[in-house]
Amino acid sequence: KAGVTQTPRYLIKTRGQQVTLSCSPISGHRSVSWYQQTPGQGLQFLFEYFSETQRNKGNFPGRFSGRQFSNSRSEMNVSTLELGDSALYLCASSFNLGDGGNTIYFGEGSWLTVV
Amino acid sequence: QKEVEQDPGPLSVPEGAIVSLNCTYSNSAFQYFMWYRQYSRKGPELLMYTYSSGNKEDGRFTAQVDKSSKYISLFIRDSQPSDSATYLCANSGSARQLTFGSGTQLTVLP
Repeated sequence: KAGVTQTPRYLIKTRGQQVTLSCSPISGHRSVSWYQQTPGQGLQFLFEYFSETQRNKGNFPGRFSGRQFSNSRSEMNVSTLELGDSALYLCASSFNLGDGGNTIYFGEGSWLTVV
Repeated sequence: QKEVEQDPGPLSVPEGAIVSLNCTYSNSAFQYFMWYRQYSRKGPELLMYTYSSGNKEDGRFTAQVDKSSKYISLFIRDSQPSDSATYLCANSGSARQLTFGSGTQLTVLP
């Protein structure tokens, strides 16, 4: 079974540009969430989508947005890039467990460098 | 105060040692507890998942959750050099949004 797939793996953008990152969840997983990982702040939750609807959103500015398609694939977009947006962006997909919880699996991430 | 506190290490142990990794948390709503392992420049890999309090064992790994003291532990028995990585505890109230600790960097020396 294929894992969570993220593209592109590495990219370099200039300040002020925008970027779109793509994520394909594990087959059968309907929930997709996004996280930002930086050396200073660690792993921080961006947002979560289920059945094309955003269910949760972290404490990030409106420049960060996302969407989910009917096939559960998801994209996140960052507009007007700032140097501080340089980070590893991780997509995770999850499958509901009987206890109401989820096991959440991460992709390898997209390394974004803003220059 | 962060919701999840984790000693960042670094922690170095000899091969074969028992490793103890710990986290504390402050949010009483957390009921789902996970441990992830992250190798350099890779995504986090789910190691253990525990719902509510108790112990869970999987091979050389044992996860313990004590909700009364808000204390979470991961034990690694017979540690191997391949266990060298950053270990992240992650907690959640709904299991849809994870709050991570800062991670503990572990090195197992051959």
